[in-house]
Amino acid sequence: GAVVSQHPSRVICKSGTSVKIECRSLDFQATTMFWYRQFPKQSLMLMATSNEGSKATYEQGVEKDKFLINHASLTLSTLTVTSAHPEDSSFYICSARTRPGQAFFGQGTRLTVV
Amino acid sequence: GENVEQHPSTLSVQEGDSAVIKCTYSDSASNYFPWYKQELGKGPQLIIDIRSNVGEKKDQRIAVTLNKTAKHFSLHITETQPEDSAVYFCAANRGTSGTYKYIFGTGTRLKVLA
Repeated sequence: GAVVSQHPSRVICKSGTSVKIECRSLDFQATTMFWYRQFPKQSLMLMATSNEGSKATYEQGVEKDKFLINHASLTLSTLTVTSAHPEDSSFYICSARTRPGQAFFGQGTRLTVV
Repeated sequence: GENVEQHPSTLSVQEGDSAVIKCTYSDSASNYFPWYKQELGKGPQLIIDIRSNVGEKKDQRIAVTLNKTAKHFSLHITETQPEDSAVYFCAANRGTSGTYKYIFGTGTRLKVLA
């Protein structure tokens, strides 16, 4: 299958700082990228959907100003958690959709805010 | 709204036995149904998928069946091995293009006992 690379895999940051997570589709151009948050032993919670060159569409209850998404190209999307707080600690995962419609996931990023 | 129900939430089988996980979707416009395997601390991995114009698809020990009328689809794993132990998610999606969301089930924790 197609490869999606997500970095970093783990990050620890201080409360009040910002953290950027990158998601790259390595061998295909992604028509759409999705960002999810996953709590322990739970399913994937969609945060936002983004297309290259346009603003992301955020799910209800997700703060746009806190979770900034930039989809700079057909192979790169970034999620920036601004002014992070301990309650933002979580597992964040991106996925990228291929033209036939399959979605492939990155490895995930474990964010810990201290 | 759109919903995917997944059962069972946990499943334990003896090595070599078969495992079956079932999902039911609500959106009749859904036409693409992937299955993902997620190991601890990693992103979900696409293991098999099926489109609405097909009733069954098989890939070695893994098969998926789809009943469009009943809005059911199932994952079948035969000759289970310890390495099959993971959390499995089903999903439903409406289109092969555009920004349609993937609606995920709540996950099934599969344990294969050696």
